[in-house]
Amino acid sequence: GAGVSQSPSNKVTEKGKDVELRCDPISGHTALYWYRQSLGQGLEFLIYFQGNSAPDKSGLPSDRFSAERTGGSVSTLTIQRTQQEDSAVYLCASSSTGQGASQPQHFGDGTRLSIL
Amino acid sequence: QKEVEQDPGPLSVPEGAIVSLNCTYSNSAFQYFMWYRQYSRKGPELLMYTYSSGNKEDGRFTAQVDKSSKYISLFIRDSQPSDSATYLCAMSSATSGTYKYIFGTGTRLKVLA
Repeated sequence: GAGVSQSPSNKVTEKGKDVELRCDPISGHTALYWYRQSLGQGLEFLIYFQGNSAPDKSGLPSDRFSAERTGGSVSTLTIQRTQQEDSAVYLCASSSTGQGASQPQHFGDGTRLSIL
Repeated sequence: QKEVEQDPGPLSVPEGAIVSLNCTYSNSAFQYFMWYRQYSRKGPELLMYTYSSGNKEDGRFTAQVDKSSKYISLFIRDSQPSDSATYLCAMSSATSGTYKYIFGTGTRLKVLA
């Protein structure tokens, strides 16, 4: 079946511009996650959605970062006034939710963001 | 000290070798453990998912969890050049919220033909 789909796969933009990254999770997965992966670093948690609500936004690095999810499906991550340190691969993952169990996350191929 | 430690490598082995990849962790509450494989310019792909201690085998892959030592391992038998990738461990606990995974930084593996 279809996996997690992210677009665009690559994005190059000038410092100061806004960017919008899109994630289409696996059908039926209620949980959705955004991560940031920089060279030589682990996955940095950004935000978690359960349905349309975001119970944990603790990983968003600044108020320039925001995310929303509509219809319990597609999510967009928006970065305003981009800075060079925002350059990274942004990964989206989704999982089903199990009662009292931790479900594995399935990842998309990411958006490679480069800020000039 | 990081919650999850993983040697970044690179680890180079000849084709056919048995590979051992490891992670150590500090949080004794971790109960769910995963291994992901990540090829260059791709997202992480789930390889193994285990709960609590013990071994789990899937084809050439064996995941091992030793909670008493806070140590997890992934063994790859009869390694192939196609196994060359970065391997990430991940873990979570029910107390921190079952959704929240802590990832290692990944070990880069090269299997030489």
